[in-house]
Amino acid sequence: QSALTQPPSASGSPGQSVTISCTGTSSDVGGYNYVSWYQQHPGKAPKLMIYEVTKRPSGVPDRFSGSKSGNTASLTVSGLQAEDEADYYCNSYAGSNNYVFGSGTKVTVL
Amino acid sequence: QVQLVQSETEVKKPGASVKVSCEASGYTFTGYYLHWVRQAPGQGLEWMGWINPNSGDTNYAPKFQDWVTMTSDTSINTAYMEVRRLRSDDTAVYYCAREGVKAARDYWGQGTLVTVSS
Repeated sequence: QSALTQPPSASGSPGQSVTISCTGTSSDVGGYNYVSWYQQHPGKAPKLMIYEVTKRPSGVPDRFSGSKSGNTASLTVSGLQAEDEADYYCNSYAGSNNYVFGSGTKVTVL
Repeated sequence: QVQLVQSETEVKKPGASVKVSCEASGYTFTGYYLHWVRQAPGQGLEWMGWINPNSGDTNYAPKFQDWVTMTSDTSINTAYMEVRRLRSDDTAVYYCAREGVKAARDYWGQGTLVTVSS
């Protein structure tokens, strides 16, 4: 089970948008609509931002949105704010009751 | 409110075992799967497996199949994750997390740092 591929870093100025990709295979990302995204600030536990590819939990700003095309899922953060600076991880169901995380992306607000 | 409270930091020697606990409150413990995820220092998240507290059923990532055991005690709303034959590369923060929505973890414990060092 290899980690899903994410870019190591992404950045944007306040108010801009940033999109993070998460590339897997037809056995995980491409095979199921069970991709979730987590935000993690330094020294803190991860926080769920998106589940089932596009759904936002209660309390997550609508600036965060998710999508998927083929074997690649994406998280877009619109209207970047200073507090969005964090590490972001995708996660996908991979069949046989298993899951796999992405390699993580550090988002910097310039 | 939903809370997952984990046990404190552990320091172990190589070859030893460690058992991390995760006490749940604010929801029906038997109604949701609990997952375990670890994060080595400066590294990404790694999914380890899950337990269904209602049935005791478990599923482990292939990498952890032979040396990790997940259990639960429904009388005290607590899940446990034991790692045997510890090695230095098992040094990590170990998290428990509830699968509150389909295939995603909506509440997380605060994490337990396990340091393996001789």
